[in-house]
Amino acid sequence: DAGVIQSPRHEVTEMGQEVTLRCKPISGHNSLFWYRQTMMRGLELLIYFNNNVPIDDSGMPEDRFSAKMPNASFSTLKIQPSEPRDSAVYFCASSPSGPTGELFFGEGSRLTVL
Amino acid sequence: RKEVEQDPGPFNVPEGATVAFNCTYSNSASQSFFWYRQDCRKEPKLLMSVYSSGNEDGRFTAQLNRASQYISLLIRDSKLSDSATYLCVAFYNQGGKLIFGQGTELSVKP
Repeated sequence: DAGVIQSPRHEVTEMGQEVTLRCKPISGHNSLFWYRQTMMRGLELLIYFNNNVPIDDSGMPEDRFSAKMPNASFSTLKIQPSEPRDSAVYFCASSPSGPTGELFFGEGSRLTVL
Repeated sequence: RKEVEQDPGPFNVPEGATVAFNCTYSNSASQSFFWYRQDCRKEPKLLMSVYSSGNEDGRFTAQLNRASQYISLLIRDSKLSDSATYLCVAFYNQGGKLIFGQGTELSVKP
């Protein structure tokens, strides 16, 4: 069975450039989460969707970050313009319907902004 | 103050040792708790759920104390393969939000 699929796995870009990270959740999962992980701050919840609707985006750092989920099988996280402090591993995760604490994570997108 | 706080680590232990990790949470609205494991440069994966009555899975025992807002994970007879970062997680049923602790790194040496 396919798990959560993220792309790109690695991205190196220059400050000021637009970055788009993509995620395909597990089929049938109703919730999708975007997390960011750094050594200093650990895993931070940026935003999560339930049935394609954003439920809580209070973790999005600032207006440079935006996330969309146009359908049940695809989500994007966009950073525009990117800054060096955005360098991190960005994880997408999905979970089945109903209250459950099990998240299935993708392998992450490692972003480096120079 | 972070919503979920863990022992800073790292823990360096010999094979066969028993090691315990602690975690506290600040929001009493947290309804469920979990331990996740994350190997180096990999994604986190669910290790086990944590119940008030305590639960055991082989060498792993998890405990929850709601009065003290405290969670623990005990690993007995540690193996080299247990080396990883262990993440404490609080789950809010309303809305389905999961908050992760910073993680505690465990290194098991031969």
